[in-house]
Amino acid sequence: GAGVSQSPSNKVTEKGKDVELRCDPISGHTALYWYRQRLGQGLEFLIYFQGNSAPDKSGLPSDRFSAERTGESVSTLTIQRTQQEDSAVYLCASSPTGSNQPQHFGDGTRLSIL
Amino acid sequence: AQSVTQLGSHVSVSEGALVLLRCNYSSSVPPYLFWYVQYPNQGLQLLLKYTTGATLVKGINGFEAEFKKSETSFHLTKPSAHMSDAAEYFCAVSPLEGGGADGLTFGKGTHLIIQP
Repeated sequence: GAGVSQSPSNKVTEKGKDVELRCDPISGHTALYWYRQRLGQGLEFLIYFQGNSAPDKSGLPSDRFSAERTGESVSTLTIQRTQQEDSAVYLCASSPTGSNQPQHFGDGTRLSIL
Repeated sequence: AQSVTQLGSHVSVSEGALVLLRCNYSSSVPPYLFWYVQYPNQGLQLLLKYTTGATLVKGINGFEAEFKKSETSFHLTKPSAHMSDAAEYFCAVSPLEGGGADGLTFGKGTHLIIQP
C-alpha cells in the first residue's frame, strides 16, 4: 500500500522567503509527526498531531515555524522568513494511533536556503 | 526525559566482517527501543524494535540487537557485512511504541562504511 508521501522532495529558496512543506500520511493513521534532520545531526522532533489537534507545539524551533493538519489527512509545515539555519531535511512520519504502533517515515523534503 | 548516545559517528568495516553499532540510552520509564536505517535520499526504515519480552531482537537484513537493561544499551550487530549495508543508522527511544506526544528521541546517527 501507499506509504507516507512528502512534497516537494527538494526545495531551494532564497533567504527571507516563506516555504510550505506537505505530508500525506498513510490512510487511517491518526498520529502524524514532523522531524528536522540537520546535516551531521540526529533527528529533532518538531511537532505531533493526533487527528487535527497538536497538543504540544513547544518543539517548533521558533515562531517562524507553524504546522496544520486537515482532519486525519494532509499536514503542512510552514516556515516564514526562512533563514540559512533552516536548511535541513524535514521528515514526516505517521502511525496508526501514536501509542502502540511504530512510526512510518516519508522520504523527506530537502530544504536549502541560499 | 530521554536521551540516546551513539558511539562513533562513522564506523568502517570490511565486507564479510562483523558489524557492531553502539547505542546507549537513558530513560525514566521502561523504554521502547528502535533501530532505523536511512539510505541516501530516503526516509527512515525500521530495522528492528524492542518492546517487551525477549531481549534479543531480530530484524530485517540479518541485523539483530540485544536490550541490556543493566548496561542501558541496545547495540546493533550483524555477523557478516554486505556492501548494501552501507547507510546511516539511527537508534531511538520512546516511552511508547508509537512515540506518543513527544515523538521518538533519536541519536545522532552512525554512518556505516563497508570496505570491499
